[in-house]
Amino acid sequence: NAGVTQTPKFQVLKTGQSMTLQCAQDMNHNSMYWYRQDPGMGLRLIYYSASEGTTDKGEVPNGYNVSRLNKREFSLRLESAAPSQTSVYFCASTSGPWGSYNEQFFGPGTRLTVL
Amino acid sequence: GEDVEQSLFLSVREGDSSVINCTYTDSSSTYLYWYKQEPGAGLQLLTYIFSNMDMKQDQRLTVLLNKKDKHLSLRIADTQTGDSAIYFCADLSYNTDKLIFGTGTRLQVFP
Repeated sequence: NAGVTQTPKFQVLKTGQSMTLQCAQDMNHNSMYWYRQDPGMGLRLIYYSASEGTTDKGEVPNGYNVSRLNKREFSLRLESAAPSQTSVYFCASTSGPWGSYNEQFFGPGTRLTVL
Repeated sequence: GEDVEQSLFLSVREGDSSVINCTYTDSSSTYLYWYKQEPGAGLQLLTYIFSNMDMKQDQRLTVLLNKKDKHLSLRIADTQTGDSAIYFCADLSYNTDKLIFGTGTRLQVFP
């Protein structure tokens, strides 16, 4: 059981470049999440997917798009990277259901720098 | 929106107890969590407490919840150097079914 995996681990982009962060989980979880972590700000939710085929905006969705490719995979795309998107990105998943004890399992993170 | 607040730093001597505090504003909280993040790693769940409980103990960890004051604390007994990490408090909101994280408290344990 690999849990939640993320690729790449590190990435440096120039302003205006695009890239996709990949996330996969092998725990048969329904819900998947993308967060960004910035110093002194904790984790902020970018997008989430409550189930295969659905995606919703979180707290800070501007500049990002997501795709829930299947139950296992949830990707985050930056169409035109900006320096403000320099951050550490975490993918997480949980089995649900609504309102119950809901441990979120986190991937190891992708450290992104936009120059 | 709902908010979760934590102090940013805590420094303790090895063998002492550590107490990390958290306050939250959500009135529809169902579960409250403590996550640990070691350098260069993702978050790992340490413990959680259901919103109708006052206390939960799990080996060296004690979680206290004061619902009236919306205050959560994590006590680590006999703190070790391996406990050095960032600790995040998080609130699962019934209204949104999303986790709201605090800013994290960096715990430094010195010999």
